[in-house]
Amino acid sequence: DSGVTQTPKHLITATGQRVTLRCSPRSGDLSVYWYQQSLDQGLQFLIQYYNGEERAKGNILERFSAQQFPDLHSELNLSSLELGDSALYFCASSAYSGANVLTFGAGSRLTVL
Amino acid sequence: DAKTTQPTSMDCAEGRAANLPCNHSTISGNEYVYWYRQIHSQGPQYIIHGLKNNETNEMASLIITEDRKSSTLILPHATLRDTAVYYCIAPEDTGRRALTFGSGTRLQVQP
Repeated sequence: DSGVTQTPKHLITATGQRVTLRCSPRSGDLSVYWYQQSLDQGLQFLIQYYNGEERAKGNILERFSAQQFPDLHSELNLSSLELGDSALYFCASSAYSGANVLTFGAGSRLTVL
Repeated sequence: DAKTTQPTSMDCAEGRAANLPCNHSTISGNEYVYWYRQIHSQGPQYIIHGLKNNETNEMASLIITEDRKSSTLILPHATLRDTAVYYCIAPEDTGRRALTFGSGTRLQVQP
């Protein structure tokens, strides 16, 4: 157990639907990062939050959004889902922004049918 | 980030040392080298990092050449559980960009 908790572990939904993935960072960590890993793309950085504020943005689609709440948990919202959004979504946390030692969660596997 | 080059795949016999190379010839003087691994479909796991001196922890050793253009991650006694994709990363020291993962080396430990 890395200390980073992601829910749900698995999610199956249909095209056009909306889902929310949740991440609780490791105790004491203020920064949360979201990554997407699909079969043909490798690990792609999506977005980072630090203490509730967005700090860095990667290849995140406009259909996707995220936020970090006062209790430091984060949610990644994926809407108007397409088949190509099927992927593993990983959350990672670190004590401070811009850290290069990240602790990753076990991931949420999203399947869009 | 400094560009890193790693072999696509490697095999290693169980119980033997696994030596995973990484070239990072464009690395700047203040950029560290980080190693992560990802066991199949699990979240990536931090292994070790270093700047210029060799480093060792409970998981692995990191050997960085004197010119810092390459490094080697050493798993001293590889087990089947070490089968994974290993990523060598040399991020910019700006503190403003998130870690970027390349393709890594797929290490297969053979029984």
